[in-house]
Amino acid sequence: DVKVTQSSRYLVKRTGEKVFLECVQDMDHENMFWYRQDPGLGLRLIYFSYDVKMKEKGDIPEGYSVSREKKERFSLILESASTNQTSMYLCASSLLGGVQPQHFGDGTRLSIL
Amino acid sequence: RKEVEQDPGPFNVPEGATVAFNCTYSNSASQSFFWYRQDCRKEPKLLMSVYSSGNEDGRFTAQLNRASQYISLLIRDSKLSDSATYLCVVDNAGNMLTFGGGTRLMVKP
Repeated sequence: DVKVTQSSRYLVKRTGEKVFLECVQDMDHENMFWYRQDPGLGLRLIYFSYDVKMKEKGDIPEGYSVSREKKERFSLILESASTNQTSMYLCASSLLGGVQPQHFGDGTRLSIL
Repeated sequence: RKEVEQDPGPFNVPEGATVAFNCTYSNSASQSFFWYRQDCRKEPKLLMSVYSSGNEDGRFTAQLNRASQYISLLIRDSKLSDSATYLCVVDNAGNMLTFGGGTRLMVKP
């Protein structure tokens, strides 16, 4: 079974803080993704990566950056957290090649005060 | 127009009922289709892929209609445990997935 692990289930931070969300997968997947999910808006792609040190912007990259130094780990960084970044953040991974189903972590519910 | 559209529901059905959800997509070049299930405050989990010829997995049947650009999910003999949000997922004709907003199902005793 694919295991995608996110470092925190719940996180509370303050406006202006730099926030790190970590994601690790154990299935040697090439692709990794960061989404946020908000009521009425569904899942929206922030960034994705198809290889170590590679990253691509998704639909809503503003205010975020990512880091992929190792194949199994994909980090999402909020450079200067703002209240509109309060959301559920979901990490996912998938195999490379064609369009593969994605496997999700448990999610991190982030609140910015 | 949204790329992937679903009726948000909720669909309230009694146990044992048959319920169907539709989902429309806008990109005629899309090739891959999935249904995911998401329980409240949990992550989405793959329910089933949708194949051109239609496919069945126990009480669940998925159909694809390319001409009309929609996919459907049929659940027979609904169980209380089927209560969840069902997400329609379509590729964007690249190698990325686009998620619909989800249809909420509530199965009542």
